[in-house]
Amino acid sequence: EAEVAQSPRYKITEKSQAVAFWCDPISGHATLYWYRQILGQGPELLVQFQDESVVDDSQLPKDRFSAERLKGVDSTLKIQPAELGDSAMYLCASSPLGTGFMNTEAFFGQGTRLTVV
Amino acid sequence: GENVEQHPSTLSVQEGDSAVIKCTYSDSASNYFPWYKQELGKRPQLIIDIRSNVGEKKDQRIAVTLNKTAKHFSLHITETQPEDSAVYFCAASRIQGAQKLVFGQGTRLTINP
Repeated sequence: EAEVAQSPRYKITEKSQAVAFWCDPISGHATLYWYRQILGQGPELLVQFQDESVVDDSQLPKDRFSAERLKGVDSTLKIQPAELGDSAMYLCASSPLGTGFMNTEAFFGQGTRLTVV
Repeated sequence: GENVEQHPSTLSVQEGDSAVIKCTYSDSASNYFPWYKQELGKRPQLIIDIRSNVGEKKDQRIAVTLNKTAKHFSLHITETQPEDSAVYFCAASRIQGAQKLVFGQGTRLTINP
């Protein structure tokens, strides 16, 4: 069964350092999401791509966070510089198509647990 | 933008009893409402979803109801089993458009043997 792949699974970094996460969605999925999940809370959408275009990044702290999906396939989320409050699980998800399509299920990856010290 | 509120935050029931989790949403244009289950240390996985053209959907022991007028939807689990213990998240989205998927805060369900 196809899965969303994320790496690394765990990352410990010092504050003010740069950190990057990678996501490979299920093949053929046009929509890709990055979520942040703080322990005990629901996933919060950071950025959403439709193919290589950003369709929503309203909750992305753009002074330190950036995301790209250059070829419309895999994606990278970067934080620079990392802050203590960035410690969380970063989840990537993908779904087949965006607009006006019935199959809207989002499939999640295992996530990257980030600890900033 | 859409805002999803979920209650309760924790729920403990005896094995075999029913569990109900409730969510409200703010955007009347939302028309897709999935429920995800997240076991400890694992990824969220879809367990059931409902679209706004129906009021109820059932899959074995799990059912979801939707009240569009009141803008709330609920997850019902009957004959609960220990493996139902997990965190459950509701979400809301639009099938048409940018399909932003907004989640509730989650409910930690514990099934007591």
